[in-house]
Amino acid sequence: DAGVTQSPTHLIKTRGQQVTLRCSPKSGHDTVSWYQQALGQGPQFIFQYYEEEERQRGNFPDRFSGHQFPNYSSELNVNALLLGDSALYLCASILLGTSGQETQYFGPGTRLLVL
Amino acid sequence: AQSVTQPDIHITVSEGASLELRCNYSYGATPYLFWYVQSPGQGLQLLLKYFSGDTLVQGIKGFEAEFKRSQSSFNLRKPSVHWSDAAEYFCAVGESLTMNRDDKIIFGKGTRLHILP
Repeated sequence: DAGVTQSPTHLIKTRGQQVTLRCSPKSGHDTVSWYQQALGQGPQFIFQYYEEEERQRGNFPDRFSGHQFPNYSSELNVNALLLGDSALYLCASILLGTSGQETQYFGPGTRLLVL
Repeated sequence: AQSVTQPDIHITVSEGASLELRCNYSYGATPYLFWYVQSPGQGLQLLLKYFSGDTLVQGIKGFEAEFKRSQSSFNLRKPSVHWSDAAEYFCAVGESLTMNRDDKIIFGKGTRLHILP
């Protein structure tokens, strides 16, 4: 049973560019959340996708957008990259509505460096 | 708004010694609390969670945590640490907008655990 997978593992971009990160949820999960973890900080919630729609969003600008596909996989897009976007981007998945019997599983992350 | 405070940025203990990592939370209702561990270059692994019931929670790798509502704390403990426990530890609180308790997780800034041989 594959856990949460993310691609790519590492990425280098320059300021102003756009980037797309990908996530495949754990088998049986239908909800994907994205987190940003800056160096030396705890992860911060970006947004969550369920049924191909953004279900809730953290305090991130509109440059951060996402998408969920019918197979539950998800993409995180960041436009007009800034140096401050350099971080580890984590994807987490869960089966919604399990009332605490399940828990979120995190992927290994994508390390983004913006130069 | 919910928040999590981990007052210790770094903790150093000797191998075989006991460990306690502190965590305080701010939340209006009954919180859903978690401890995660992150090793270098790795993602987050759930050590344990508290949703309700017994306030002493057992987790993986010999860790346990105690929920104390009166102190708004959820400290992580281990009786005897191993060199492989060196990692970053995150306390977190789950914020639920619906009945699903893992809607959104708010993390503390983490405590880096160093182990002396």
